[in-house]
Amino acid sequence: GQQLNQSPQSMFIQEGEDVSMNCTSSSIFNTWLWYKQDPGEGPVLLIALYKAGELTSNGRLTAQFGITRKDSFLNISASIPSDVGIYFCAGQERNNNDMRFGAGTRLTVKP
Amino acid sequence: SQTIHQWPATLVQPVGSPLSLECTVEGTSNPNLYWYRQAAGRGLQLLFYSVGIGQISSEVPQNLSASRPQDRQFILSSKKLLLSDSGFYLCAWSTRPVSSYNSPLHFGNGTRLTVT
Repeated sequence: GQQLNQSPQSMFIQEGEDVSMNCTSSSIFNTWLWYKQDPGEGPVLLIALYKAGELTSNGRLTAQFGITRKDSFLNISASIPSDVGIYFCAGQERNNNDMRFGAGTRLTVKP
Repeated sequence: SQTIHQWPATLVQPVGSPLSLECTVEGTSNPNLYWYRQAAGRGLQLLFYSVGIGQISSEVPQNLSASRPQDRQFILSSKKLLLSDSGFYLCAWSTRPVSSYNSPLHFGNGTRLTVT
């Protein structure tokens, strides 16, 4: 089952607004990942983080690996309608072969 | 480049019927392979993962089983489907961990299973 606490569960925003979502874990993770899932498709990797404190950007997306290694956040700046979807965080412990996912944040962007 | 294929895309099966979902990966060797299930509007639940041929780890006791007959082939099966088996099934792969760094998962497009 899931061991990550992802929030918020859903967001309704206006086009152009910034978005922030986060994940916390009871375990220390070696890797934090952020995925986006469009309806009827598999999740697609957005950003991968491998070091505590690491801040990585991918276009309008920015994610950080928390210093405690138990949390991560994802920011989306200047949202656009195609940002709509479900965003998942995922974490992996050191040398562990499975990856744990948050419950997802459903993002709706109003034009 | 690596690609992952999952089929069928959708499936409607009656309760009590068998199930076989197939996943293959191309362009990589010795991948880790995974089966996840996603209930409607919910997150991803890890069902099985495999680090090599014939090696299967099960995360959740259930009505399903997995097999890896070849290096890049992963099969999800059931002998008798239950209504609760309905959901969106996702296959994924990753490369083996190098040192202490883990590799991201890459997902297929999923199979929508409806058990009636």
